[in-house]
Amino acid sequence: AQSVTQPDIHITVSEGASLELRCNYSYGATPYLFWYVQSPGQGLQLLLKYFSGDTLVQGIKGFEAEFKRSQSSFNLRKPSVHWSDAAEYFCAVGVHISSGSARQLTFGSGTQLTVLP
Amino acid sequence: DGGITQSPKYLFRKEGQNVTLSCEQNLNHDAMYWYRQDPGQGLRLIYYSQIVNDFQKGDIAEGYSVSREKKESFPLTVTSAQKNPTAFYLCASTPDRGPVTEAFFGQGTRLTVV
Repeated sequence: AQSVTQPDIHITVSEGASLELRCNYSYGATPYLFWYVQSPGQGLQLLLKYFSGDTLVQGIKGFEAEFKRSQSSFNLRKPSVHWSDAAEYFCAVGVHISSGSARQLTFGSGTQLTVLP
Repeated sequence: DGGITQSPKYLFRKEGQNVTLSCEQNLNHDAMYWYRQDPGQGLRLIYYSQIVNDFQKGDIAEGYSVSREKKESFPLTVTSAQKNPTAFYLCASTPDRGPVTEAFFGQGTRLTVV
């Protein structure tokens, strides 16, 4: 079975500083990888996704992530953090469930980002 | 606008009561899901449905039940058998067959046992 580890429960950065959120996954085949962001009391919004091809993927709000197969990692980065980026971030791996249309998304436990002024 | 609507946003339940959380989507997606979110544990899959009148248990189905009578609706009932129901519940959907695509989420329902 697949699993996702986000080793950092809470990260604090100053506004304008760079950011890297770590994500490690365990899955036997080529994974489908996602990063989602969640504001307090809200649903999840997709930041970016990786299916195949270029290992550096660009997402919304200036985020990017790099897939490194050798390290089983899919770290999220942003060169300059804005106060509005404060939220909780979830990494997820997706696989097909049997032959149907459903997908099994396995989530990490999340990283809470605090941005200091 | 297309999306997923969950209601109510907040729900309070007395011990021993069943409550039903609503989830409606107008995205024409085939598959729908219910997740439970607890602090520090990420999201865990309760039930999912790939087509109308069919649904499958996820990782933590005990104490929950669902129905899928219409493509756009996937209500979740939290029964009195669920011993620790206080949590944030998220409904999601995905498009039909093809490459794995992202899930679209509703805004969630926060359930509290009083």
